[in-house]
Amino acid sequence: GAVVSQHPSWVICKSGTSVKIECRSLDFQATTMFWYRQFPKQSLMLMATSNEGSKATYEQGVEKDKFLINHASLTLSTLTVTSAHPEDSSFYICSGRGQGIYNEQFFGPGTRLTVL
Amino acid sequence: SQQGEEDPQALSIQEGENATMNCSYKTSINNLQWYRQNSGRGLVHLILIRSNEREKHSGRLRVTLDTSKKSSSLLITASRAADTASYFCATDEGDFVFGPGTRLSVLP
Repeated sequence: GAVVSQHPSWVICKSGTSVKIECRSLDFQATTMFWYRQFPKQSLMLMATSNEGSKATYEQGVEKDKFLINHASLTLSTLTVTSAHPEDSSFYICSGRGQGIYNEQFFGPGTRLTVL
Repeated sequence: SQQGEEDPQALSIQEGENATMNCSYKTSINNLQWYRQNSGRGLVHLILIRSNEREKHSGRLRVTLDTSKKSSSLLITASRAADTASYFCATDEGDFVFGPGTRLSVLP
């Protein structure tokens, strides 16, 4: 399958700072990218969907001003957690979907964010 | 978007036994995927089955899809301790939404 990378794989930051997470599709063009969040022992929850060149669509309950998503190219999307707080500590996973007819979606390895 | 729902939510078996997990969904799909996640780690793609397929094999994994019942099953044969993980199914309807997962524990 196609490869999606995330950077960094883990990050520790102080409360109040902002953290940027990058998601790259390495061998395909991801016209749509998704960002998920996963709390311990829970399933992944979709946060937002972004199409290249458009504003992201956020799921209910996800603050768009706190979780800034940029999908400026077909191979890169970024998630910035602004003014992070300890409750934002979580596992963030991105995925990319190309234009194949079967809607195949490929996931990154995830980024573990710890806010002190 | 729609959610896959896995069943059971937790399963404990002895090494060497087979493990079967089920997933149900609500509306029509193009494909269904199964993923594994070890504790605190990222997702590992296991297998994708398309809506026009009924069964698919990959090593010790066997996935079935019954679109009339809107359900899929994942069978892991001859389980190993390393198979201990959470297993998720994900369907598509514009985007993927994961079910709660099945936590599989394989005891040595």
